[in-house]
Amino acid sequence: GAVVSQHPSRVICKSGTSVKIECRSLDFQATTMFWYRQFPKQSLMLMATSNEGSKATYEQGVEKDKFLINHASLTLSTLTVTSAHPEDSSFYICSGRSGNTIYFGEGSWLTVV
Amino acid sequence: ILNVEQSPQSLHVQEGDSTNFTCSFPSSNFYALHWYRWETAKSPEALFVMTLNGDEKKKGRISATLNTKEGYSYLYIKGSQPEDSATYLCAFRTSGTYKYIFGTGTRLKVLA
Repeated sequence: GAVVSQHPSRVICKSGTSVKIECRSLDFQATTMFWYRQFPKQSLMLMATSNEGSKATYEQGVEKDKFLINHASLTLSTLTVTSAHPEDSSFYICSGRSGNTIYFGEGSWLTVV
Repeated sequence: ILNVEQSPQSLHVQEGDSTNFTCSFPSSNFYALHWYRWETAKSPEALFVMTLNGDEKKKGRISATLNTKEGYSYLYIKGSQPEDSATYLCAFRTSGTYKYIFGTGTRLKVLA
């Protein structure tokens, strides 16, 4: 199956700093990428949908100025958590769409201290 | 608000046992139902994409059925093995969108 590589897998950052998470589709072109967040014992919650070359569409309640998404090429999307706070600590995972199937990255654990 | 529920939340079975889990989803505006297998520290792996009412799909010892009219899908594992231990996620896609709504998953532990 198609491969999506996400890194870093774990990151610890200080409160107030920004952190970038990258998501690359290695063997397919992802015209659409999705970013999800998962809090403990909850389901994956869609944060935003990004289409290559255009602005991301954010879900209700997700601050677009805090979670900056860039999808500059068909193989790379990035999520930058700006001015991170402890409540942003969570598991973040991306996925890329190829046809009617979506392929996930490995996910990133963010801890803000 | 669209809701997808999975049950049970977790399950322990003995090696060789057969087991099944449920995914319940809205029965309106259905487009597709996906099943994923998610091992710790790995990417969720696509198992099945199901689109038609009455669909039944099989991959080795794992199979799934779909009832779109009543809004549920079952995943079956026959003769469970320790390597089947993982979280099994279902995701519902409504027509006209590429958005997927996920259940919380069923955590399966197969004891040797």
